[in-house]
Amino acid sequence: AQSVTQLGSHVSVSEGALVLLRCNYSSSVPPYLFWYVQYPNQGLQLLLKYTTGATLVKGINGFEAEFKKSETSFHLTKPSAHMSDAAEYFCAVSYGNNRLAFGKGNQVVVIP
Amino acid sequence: DTGVSQNPRHKITKRGQNVTFRCDPISEHNRLYWYRQTLGQGPEFLTYFQNEAQLEKSRLLSDRFSAERPKGSFSTLEIQRTEQGDSAMYLCASSLVDGAAGNTIYFGEGSWLTVV
Repeated sequence: AQSVTQLGSHVSVSEGALVLLRCNYSSSVPPYLFWYVQYPNQGLQLLLKYTTGATLVKGINGFEAEFKKSETSFHLTKPSAHMSDAAEYFCAVSYGNNRLAFGKGNQVVVIP
Repeated sequence: DTGVSQNPRHKITKRGQNVTFRCDPISEHNRLYWYRQTLGQGPEFLTYFQNEAQLEKSRLLSDRFSAERPKGSFSTLEIQRTEQGDSAMYLCASSLVDGAAGNTIYFGEGSWLTVV
């Protein structure tokens, strides 16, 4: 079964500091990898995705993620947090059937 | 591109009543998905359609749940004899599956269900 691990349900970061959200998947076959963001009372918006090719993927709002096959990871980063980054972030995987399996999410709080 | 549209956005119902949610996907998207999300959890897959055919159902989708996509466009999700455990946000999503890898799945804003 597809499995995605996101550690630390709540992540606090100071405004202007690095945002780092960790995502690991459990599979010997590399999946397609996604990060979605969810603002309060809204649906999910795609931040970025990795399918093939360059392992460093740039997304919207200054976020990027790097696929590391050897570590089965796809961590999300942003160099400098902004107040508007306060939201919930979900890592997800799919294996070609276009069906997403999500992690439990990270609630990001930005401290002024 | 008007995005994935869901309605109603909020529904409060008494236990035992039936509820129906509607989803209008992005036009020309051939695949439509339903997910359920409870507080503090990531979305969980329920079912998906390729055009009008329902191709997969999660074991989360009990026999009180039924989804349809009769003409391959909009979809409905009906929950019969609602229980308090059905309280959640029901997310609809769509994608264009064209043989390419990792097609992007676009989500609607969700329909909140509260069963009292």
